[in-house]
Amino acid sequence: AQRVTQPEKLLSVFKGAPVELKCNYSYSGSPELFWYVQYSRQRLQLLLRHISRESIKGFTADLNKGETSFHLKKPFAQEEDSAMYYCALTLDSSYKLIFGSGTRLLVRP
Amino acid sequence: NAGVTQTPKFQVLKTGQSMTLQCAQDMNHNSMYWYRQDPGMGLRLIYYSASEGTTDKGEVPNGYNVSRLNKREFSLRLESAAPSQTSVYFCASSEGRRGGAQETQYFGPGTRLLVL
Repeated sequence: AQRVTQPEKLLSVFKGAPVELKCNYSYSGSPELFWYVQYSRQRLQLLLRHISRESIKGFTADLNKGETSFHLKKPFAQEEDSAMYYCALTLDSSYKLIFGSGTRLLVRP
Repeated sequence: NAGVTQTPKFQVLKTGQSMTLQCAQDMNHNSMYWYRQDPGMGLRLIYYSASEGTTDKGEVPNGYNVSRLNKREFSLRLESAAPSQTSVYFCASSEGRRGGAQETQYFGPGTRLLVL
């Protein structure tokens, strides 16, 4: 069965420090991977997706098929990055999005 | 443009009671979804509707039924609520032009349900 694992429930860093939110997945094929974010009192929203290879709000994520990982990175964390981050996976032409359990990022001043 | 709206925001039920959670979107999306979010478990798909007139089971459909009333509205019904259904419920929608989960999903604000 497909699974997404986010090993850290909470990640606390100081402003300006690098951030890496870990995401590992189990699937033998070629999944599509996403990062969704939920800021305080806001709705869950898409941050970025693997297929777009884009950088959003300074965040990037690289798919490593060998390690089955899709870690989210940012070189210099900002206080406004504090939020709940979810890694998610879907299969070709599927309507099912499988979420990890989430990591709460806390950026301290 | 309200996006995805959900009602109610919060509900308390007694075991065995029934209720319907309402969801509507004004983005002319074809696909709609219901998720539940439990502590430490992320979001899990309950049911989805790829397009108007179709519904399919997700990961955790037991104890729920859904109705795609029209293109805008997708309701989730608990026929006989159980304490295990205490959760936060999210509705989402996507364009649905291709495999829906590959598209950006737009989420509602959530409904917090407590079953005593």
